[in-house]
Amino acid sequence: EVQLLESGGSLVQPGGSLRLSCAASGFTFSNYAMSWVRQAPGKGLEWVSTVGSRGDLTYYADSVKGRFSISRDNSKNTLYLQMNSLRAGDTAVYHCVWGYFFDQWGQGTLVTVSS
Amino acid sequence: DIQMTQSPSSLSASVGDRVTITCRASQDIRSDLGWYQQKPGKAPKRLIYAASSLQSGVPSRFSGSGSGTEFTLTISSLQPEDFATYYCLQHNTYPRTFGQGTKVEIK
Repeated sequence: EVQLLESGGSLVQPGGSLRLSCAASGFTFSNYAMSWVRQAPGKGLEWVSTVGSRGDLTYYADSVKGRFSISRDNSKNTLYLQMNSLRAGDTAVYHCVWGYFFDQWGQGTLVTVSS
Repeated sequence: DIQMTQSPSSLSASVGDRVTITCRASQDIRSDLGWYQQKPGKAPKRLIYAASSLQSGVPSRFSGSGSGTEFTLTISSLQPEDFATYYCLQHNTYPRTFGQGTKVEIK
């Protein structure tokens, strides 16, 4: 059974940084692309970033490009999202998503950016 | 960027009704589209992949159709557990883009 467990969300001040993690199990992590998708309170889904299976290919939404960095550690079956220069508009639940075709999603971790 | 225009944004329906939700892509995305169901406080769950393939374990009352720029999700007979918000997602091109969502409510 595929399991995706996000962690690292918290309350942070504008301009601050945070690193999210996603521990994956139940599949061969190193074979699959992984993504982050966020959902602001009461809003729809927004794709944030995707990383290829080997970590060498990365893609970002314009809204986070230059501020966020996606990475993975295939030896630890873990996906990361480093978030810098956080803004109020980054407040959302961040979901870790398995697969190029967005097959399965984690429950998410809440990031709140507020002073 | 590819825009995904989803309609309607909400609908009210009764148990047993046939429900249709549409997504239009701003350019050809072949069949590179999925449909997702989300219930409050829960993670999205994929129902349909490759525009028309039913995800394993998903009831057969759900179906998807279309290719190119026009796609449809149909629920043939709405059940109480189907009241939720539905999203389409294109994975043809970066940035990946979602439809705005359709909230299906009880009439």
